[in-house]
Amino acid sequence: TQLLEQSPQFLSIQEGENLTVYCNSSSVFSSLQWYRQEPGEGPVLLVTVVTGGEVKKLKRLTFQFGDARKDSSLHITAAQPGDTGLYLCAGSLSDSGGSNYKLTFGKGTLLTVNP
Amino acid sequence: ETGVTQTPRHLVMGMTNKKSLKCEQHLGHNAMYWYKQSAKKPLELMFVYSLEERVENNSVPSRFSPECPNSSHLFLHLHTLQPEDSALYLCASSRLQGYEQYFGPGTRLTVT
Repeated sequence: TQLLEQSPQFLSIQEGENLTVYCNSSSVFSSLQWYRQEPGEGPVLLVTVVTGGEVKKLKRLTFQFGDARKDSSLHITAAQPGDTGLYLCAGSLSDSGGSNYKLTFGKGTLLTVNP
Repeated sequence: ETGVTQTPRHLVMGMTNKKSLKCEQHLGHNAMYWYKQSAKKPLELMFVYSLEERVENNSVPSRFSPECPNSSHLFLHLHTLQPEDSALYLCASSRLQGYEQYFGPGTRLTVT
């Protein structure tokens, strides 16, 4: 069972369109990160959200953390070919003792923006 | 040099060879990770080191052997690999285990 479900798995759109991708779980996370990975390269950290309901903006990218800290969304406005890549979300969970944290990755959304 | 570096970026090896992958982080982090990423598959966590101690080993075959001599360096020693081990191997580091991770560019490994 995948702890973090990302949807859609694949998304192909035209330049200039808007899009939203989702990251969902039944677990409550202490924090959640979004990464973008280009082919043949390592994932690059885009943002970390910590507070339920938090919204962060990075140029044309808007990230939102759910009120219950179980889900997150990434919205891209006016997508460009340079936005093409694999978008990964990762959530930080603590163990039962609350002292050790583990980062769990979703499978990612592969976005293609066509010129 | 800043961030997380990995060498080599590309490696082709035969099934009887022995090679090592190197990772170095310049961020002052205390946790380091090895991941395997195969085509059309999600990231697979292989090993976790926290404060230079191995804290996680996710059922990785013994032909992969990690080494963490200090908090800045991480190695992955490879021997008698199989063609299905061909993948992108990614190293990452974080301030503490479970915190946001910073990845290196990866080593593209091809086993022939």
